[in-house]
This record gives sequence, C-alpha cells and structure tokens, in this order.
Amino acid sequence: GQNIDQPTEMTATEGAIVQINCTYQTSGFNGLFWYQQHAGEAPTFLSYNVLDGLEEKGRFSSFLSRSKGYSYLLLKELQMKDSASYLCAVRDWDSGAGSYQLTFGKGTKLSVIP
Amino acid sequence: DTGVSQDPRHKITKRGQNVTFRCDPISEHNRLYWYRQTLGQGPEFLTYFQNEAQLEKSRLLSDRFSAERPKGSFSTLEIQRTEQGDSAMYLCASSPGTGGIDEQYFGPGTRLTVT
Repeated sequence: GQNIDQPTEMTATEGAIVQINCTYQTSGFNGLFWYQQHAGEAPTFLSYNVLDGLEEKGRFSSFLSRSKGYSYLLLKELQMKDSASYLCAVRDWDSGAGSYQLTFGKGTKLSVIP
Repeated sequence: DTGVSQDPRHKITKRGQNVTFRCDPISEHNRLYWYRQTLGQGPEFLTYFQNEAQLEKSRLLSDRFSAERPKGSFSTLEIQRTEQGDSAMYLCASSPGTGGIDEQYFGPGTRLTVT
C-alpha cells in the first residue's frame, strides 16, 4: 500500500511562487502525478514524474526524488484562478491485483489572495 | 466535446433504494476507472476495467456495489440498498492503456445524496 502526505491548506499571494510538497511510501513505484481540482469539478492532469528531477510545463513545475519519496509542485506567477485543490497521486504495482493502481493523497487546498 | 461524460450529474435517493450511474469514456480508451470522493479527501479507487474485463476491485468495495463494461465502451456502476454513507461524488476516468504516461482523464462526476 501507499502512504501519501501533503499539507491540507496553503495560502499565497497573487503573482508569487508557491511550492506544494508531497511525501509518499510505496513498494512498486511507477510514477507520480499531480492533478488540479477546482471546487465541484473533476480533477485535471497537470504533470507526471517517473525519473528523478524537474519537469517544467509553463508556470507549473514538478520535482521528484525517488530515494527520498518526495515530490513538489511549484506554481509561479500565481493567478486567482489557481485557487484549487492540488492532488498528489502515486502509481505503483499492486502485486495482489496484478496491475498498476493510482492512489491519491487528500489534496492541498490552495487559496490565492490579492 | 470528446471528453469523459457521466450521467446523471446529480442523484438524490432514499436509503434502501438502488441507483445506477453511467460513464462514457474517451473514445478508444481501453481503461476505465471508478472512484469515490468525499469532501476534503482525494479520489478513492473503487474498480478498474481493461476493455470489458474487470481487473481489479477495491477491498473497500462492499457487495452492494457492482460495475460492468459489457462491450468495452461505456460502463455502469450500480449501488444496491443505498446507505447514507454512500453519499459522495462518484468519478469515472479513462486512460489509453497503451503504455507511456497513461494519464487518467476524469469525467465531471455524479454527486449522490442518500437521504
């Protein structure tokens, strides 16, 4: 199984940079995903890391360290529309089921203030 | 729009009734997933299909829950004898299932309220 931990809430100022951390414990790691979820809406895919290092995609970047079981999502030039929950999800091999499974953390609710 | 669609978007039912939800995945996606999400929590895995085969079912899923994907396209999730604890958002997702990142695309969800 997995144990995924991320902060419950964060607040940041419009135009600033915010880093959302995620730690995990798993035995058959096969990738880490970040999803964005606005209130009352479905999660949407943001980024994917399977190798150590930084992946950059516009204002969003995601970092992974497999040895430390650690990832972060970096949001630059924050906009009001970035107010949402950010979900860290780990895919690993479930030997009992014989398939990969994606397990989500509880999410970090980010509030962007003027 | 060719995204994942779910029907109905909202369902209110009385305790003890049966409900059925439908999910239409992105065309040609081989994999289809069902999740349940409650307020302040991340999506919780329920079950997963590769084409028409149900390959995995969460140990948390009681016998009152059943899912089908008869022709490898749309899927249905049925909850029998609903309980108040079943109140949640039920999310469906699909993925290509052909290697690579294989990210999951989520539908808008069905919000179930059991009174």
